Amino acid sequence: EAGVAQSPRYKIIEKRQSVAFWCNPISGHATLYWYQQILGQGPKLLIQFQNNGVVDDSQLPKDRFSAERLKGVDSTLKIQPAKLEDSAVYLCASSKYNEQFFGPGTRLTVL
Amino acid sequence: GIQVEQSPPDLILQEGANSTLRCNFSDSVNNLQWFHQNPWGQLINLFYIPSGTKQNGRLSATTVATERYSLLYISSSQTTDSGVYFCAVQGVGGGSNYKLTFGKGTLLTVNP
Repeated sequence: EAGVAQSPRYKIIEKRQSVAFWCNPISGHATLYWYQQILGQGPKLLIQFQNNGVVDDSQLPKDRFSAERLKGVDSTLKIQPAKLEDSAVYLCASSKYNEQFFGPGTRLTVL
Repeated sequence: GIQVEQSPPDLILQEGANSTLRCNFSDSVNNLQWFHQNPWGQLINLFYIPSGTKQNGRLSATTVATERYSLLYISSSQTTDSGVYFCAVQGVGGGSNYKLTFGKGTLLTVNP
C-alpha cells in the first residue's frame, strides 16, 4: 500500500513570494490533515479535511494560508505572501479511522 | 486543550542498552500514537496504543489510560534508533481536545 505522497520535498523562496505544496493521501483515507513543524517542536495542526469539507481550520493563519481538497482526494496548501517565520516543515497526514499516517514533508525555507 | 509531556527531553545511550520513554497526558484519550522522526524528518508510526500493551520487535509500548501515561520501551538499542520520539494524543469530545496534540519529543542518540 502506497503511503502519503508530498511534493516538493524542499523549497526555498524569498519573503513575500508565494508557494504551494501538494499532498496525495493513502487510498481510501477520507480524512486529510496539514501540519506545520517548526524546528525543535512537535507538529501543529493547521487544517483538517473530511472528504472535501473543512473540519477544523482554527489554527490556519487565514490572512496568508489557504488550503483546498476539491475532489476529496489530493490537497494543496498555499502560502501567499510568505514571511520569514513560515520557515518550517509542512507535513500532510491522512487517516481512515483514528490512526494518522504522515508523508515525508516539505521543508520550506523563507529568506 | 489536552497537555502532553514527554520525558526525558534528551537521552544518550551506548549501542545495546535499553531505555524507557514516558508520555504523560492531561485528559482522557481515544488515540495515542508513538512516532519516530528520523534524521530526514519522516514521521514513522511505531504504535497506535490508546490503551494496553503492544510489542513490535525490539520495541514495545504500554498505555495506562486510567493513570494517563504511556511508556515506550526500546531494547538492545541500535544506532539506527537515533532520532526524535514523539508521543501524540487525541482527546475525547470536541473542541481543541480533538486535535492530535504532540509532545515536545525525546531526542535519542545511540552511540556505537
